[in-house]
Amino acid sequence: AAGVIQSPRHLIKEKRETATLKCYPIPRHDTVYWYQQGPGQDPQFLISFYEKMQSDKGSIPDRFSAQQFSDYHSELNMSSLELGDSALYFCASSRRQGGSGANVLTFGAGSRLTVL
Amino acid sequence: KQEVTQIPAALSVPEGENLVLNCSFTDSAIYNLQWFRQDPGKGLTSLLLIQSSQREQTSGRLNASLDKSSGRSTLYIAASQPGDSATYLCAVTGNTPLVFGKGTRLSVIA
Repeated sequence: AAGVIQSPRHLIKEKRETATLKCYPIPRHDTVYWYQQGPGQDPQFLISFYEKMQSDKGSIPDRFSAQQFSDYHSELNMSSLELGDSALYFCASSRRQGGSGANVLTFGAGSRLTVL
Repeated sequence: KQEVTQIPAALSVPEGENLVLNCSFTDSAIYNLQWFRQDPGKGLTSLLLIQSSQREQTSGRLNASLDKSSGRSTLYIAASQPGDSATYLCAVTGNTPLVFGKGTRLSVIA
């Protein structure tokens, strides 16, 4: 079965540079979520999109932006990178189930960003 | 704001032991609870999903229970093996997207 695809798997950037992470959800999934997991930390919710519109916003820095495109893939853009942005970035997707909101998330393998 | 707590933070057991990992959450208005496994530096593997209307789920040697009213879940691992060594994360979905606990780091010693 198709899974959530994230690219690149590894990325090394210098401080103040810009990085873009991509996420391709499971086919027919309409919602995408981004999480950030720092070293030794639990994953923290950044932002989510449903049908190409932002649906929830978590602890996403103002230096970061994201969007979901017409083919439902999503990109997380990170600018003015700081050392503290070094983390695993997970994307997850789900298919909204009616009005229950009981979405089951499937996670990608993650993109590891290292900022030097 | 939903908060998820996992106890203990770390656990070391000899191979073959049965063990229990605990998870508690502050807001009982959840839709579901998931247990994940994470190997160092790797992705999140979903182990078990319990819908809010369910009391437990089983998969092989794993059994997860949910007491929504008290805001608690347990993950029971039977006959532990060295390959079970990993961090186990509990996460709940409610009015906000999945909120994770900090995990329990399990080491199973051969």
